[in-house]
Amino acid sequence: EAGVTQFPSHSVIEKGQTVTLRCDPISGHDNLYWYRRVMGKEIKFLLHFVKESKQDESGMPNNRFLAERTGGTYSTLKVQPAELEDSGVYFCASSQGSGGAHEQYFGPGTRLTVT
Amino acid sequence: GQQLNQSPQSMFIQEGEDVSMNCTSSSIFNTWLWYKQDPGEGPVLLIALYKAGELTSNGRLTAQFGITRKDSFLNISASIPSDVGIYFCAGQDEDGSARQLTFGSGTQLTVLP
Repeated sequence: EAGVTQFPSHSVIEKGQTVTLRCDPISGHDNLYWYRRVMGKEIKFLLHFVKESKQDESGMPNNRFLAERTGGTYSTLKVQPAELEDSGVYFCASSQGSGGAHEQYFGPGTRLTVT
Repeated sequence: GQQLNQSPQSMFIQEGEDVSMNCTSSSIFNTWLWYKQDPGEGPVLLIALYKAGELTSNGRLTAQFGITRKDSFLNISASIPSDVGIYFCAGQDEDGSARQLTFGSGTQLTVLP
């Protein structure tokens, strides 16, 4: 079974540019999550999709971040325009099921550097 | 928001030694999970704990869900070089639709030969 995949693995952009990150969850997993780890701090939750619907987007830092999951399969996270403080590693995770605690499986992350 | 205090921040141990790390929270979690992250990889789930007081083992790893539901520890016995990495605790609150994970800041483990 293929794991969670993310693309690209690294991205270096200038302040003010736009970047789009992609996540392909494990096949059949309805739940998809985005997390971010900034400057060696803790991994922080950004948002949670159940199929194509945003279940919880309380962790999105501001309106420069836009996440989509059209069709309930892969998801994209767009940062526009990027700022220096957006640098970090963006992780995607997925889990199956619709209730209770479900183990989340993480992708390798996208390392974003904004210069 | 909820926060987890994870300690220690880093550890240097000799191969063969046992190691212990823990997480505490000011609020209750219904599930505790322990992840390990290798360089360039995403966090990999090691152990999941679902009941207060639960003690679970996975090979040389043992983790416990605190009876108050506000803490958890992870023990690694007889460490080996491949145990090197960052270990994260995470709590999950299942109230309503909240299934996000709250992470600790990580414990960087170095195993010296």
